[in-house]
Amino acid sequence: DAGVIQSPRHEVTEMGQEVTLRCKPISGHNSLFWYRQTMMRGLELLIYFNNNVPIDDSGMPEDRFSAKMPNASFSTLKIQPSEPRDSAVYFCASSVQGFSYEQYFGPGTRLTVT
Amino acid sequence: DQQVKQNSPSLSVQEGRISILNCDYTNSMFDYFLWYKKYPAEGPTFLISISSIKDKNEDGRFTVFLNKSAKHLSLHIVPSQPGDSAVYFCAARLNNAGNMLTFGGGTRLMVKP
Repeated sequence: DAGVIQSPRHEVTEMGQEVTLRCKPISGHNSLFWYRQTMMRGLELLIYFNNNVPIDDSGMPEDRFSAKMPNASFSTLKIQPSEPRDSAVYFCASSVQGFSYEQYFGPGTRLTVT
Repeated sequence: DQQVKQNSPSLSVQEGRISILNCDYTNSMFDYFLWYKKYPAEGPTFLISISSIKDKNEDGRFTVFLNKSAKHLSLHIVPSQPGDSAVYFCAARLNNAGNMLTFGGGTRLMVKP
């Protein structure tokens, strides 16, 4: 099993640019989560999908952030326009709802906005 | 407001001794708790979990204790090894909230040889 795949692993962009982070969950998993890790706020949940449907997006910081899950094997997190305070590590995780509560994390995307 | 708190940002322990990582929570509706371990440049990986109907769960060198009345859980690592040096996150699942987890801020454990 390849695990959760995230791309790119590193992204450096200038303020005002659009950034798209990508995630491929583990095959067969029906829940997908986007997290952001910062020194100040630790690991915070941004949005949670179940069966491709957004269930809870209360953690999305503001309208500049959007996430989609067009099918069971792909999700994107988009920031437009990006700002320096968006610099963080973004993780995607997946799990099987109804089987266990354990989430499996990808390696993360380190985003730097200059 | 942080519902799951890890009040110690870092902990240093000698190899072979016990490491105790602590976690406090405020919401009595949490019914499942997990510990994750994170190495630099990697995603968190699941370590051990405990249901709210139990007070202890053991897996090899790792034991998690849950004190519901105090809303407190702890992770014991015995004996500690240099390879245990990592950031440890506790997480909690809210009853009827699917697989959504709330994470603490993490504790960096350093095990010195």
